[in-house]
Amino acid sequence: EPEVTQTPSHQVTQMGQEVILRCVPISNHLYFYWYRQILGQKVEFLVSFYNNEISEKSEIFDDQFSVERPDGSNFTLKIRSTKLEDSAMYFCASSVNGMLRDEQYFGPGTRLTVT
Amino acid sequence: AQKITQTQPGMFVQEKEAVTLDCTYDTSDPSYGLFWYKQPSSGEMIFLIYQGSYDQQNATEGRYSLNFQKARKSANLVISASQLGDSAMYFCAMRGEYGNKLVFGAGTILRVKS
Repeated sequence: EPEVTQTPSHQVTQMGQEVILRCVPISNHLYFYWYRQILGQKVEFLVSFYNNEISEKSEIFDDQFSVERPDGSNFTLKIRSTKLEDSAMYFCASSVNGMLRDEQYFGPGTRLTVT
Repeated sequence: AQKITQTQPGMFVQEKEAVTLDCTYDTSDPSYGLFWYKQPSSGEMIFLIYQGSYDQQNATEGRYSLNFQKARKSANLVISASQLGDSAMYFCAMRGEYGNKLVFGAGTILRVKS
């Protein structure tokens, strides 16, 4: 069964450093998403991406964040200058289309630890 | 804007018993979708079941069913015949008509006792 993959599974970085989290969505999906989950808290939407541009973003997704689809398979989330509060699990998700009942398939997540 | 409320931080259920996990929501969108996800201790998010706001019948998927009461704005998940492997965090989420994002509740930790 096709699945969303994410690398790395765990990333440790120092405050102020740039990180890039990588995702490979399911191949025939058109919509891509990033969510984050701070330890023990709810899952929060960051950004959605369609047709090579951001379709929606949350207030969390400020100028420190960017997304890119550099080729036909990868979808990346970049944090330019990490803060301690960026420590969280970051989930990539993808869906076939933008229909209301369209299930979002989540990847296994990347645990980001900022020290 | 959408809001999801899950008022049960944790629940216990005896193996083979049924359990209901509560979820209430709020939205001004005329149509919307409600989702339940399971998050085991390993951390991945597993889709369980979907209910559309205009679906005529309550959704069912195997041992999972959704008790959807639109007037009360509730979408409770019912797990029948609980198994030890059902022990996990369960998130209710919704999506409005005018966007793609999922809005999640705080989750309910379910523990199944043998």
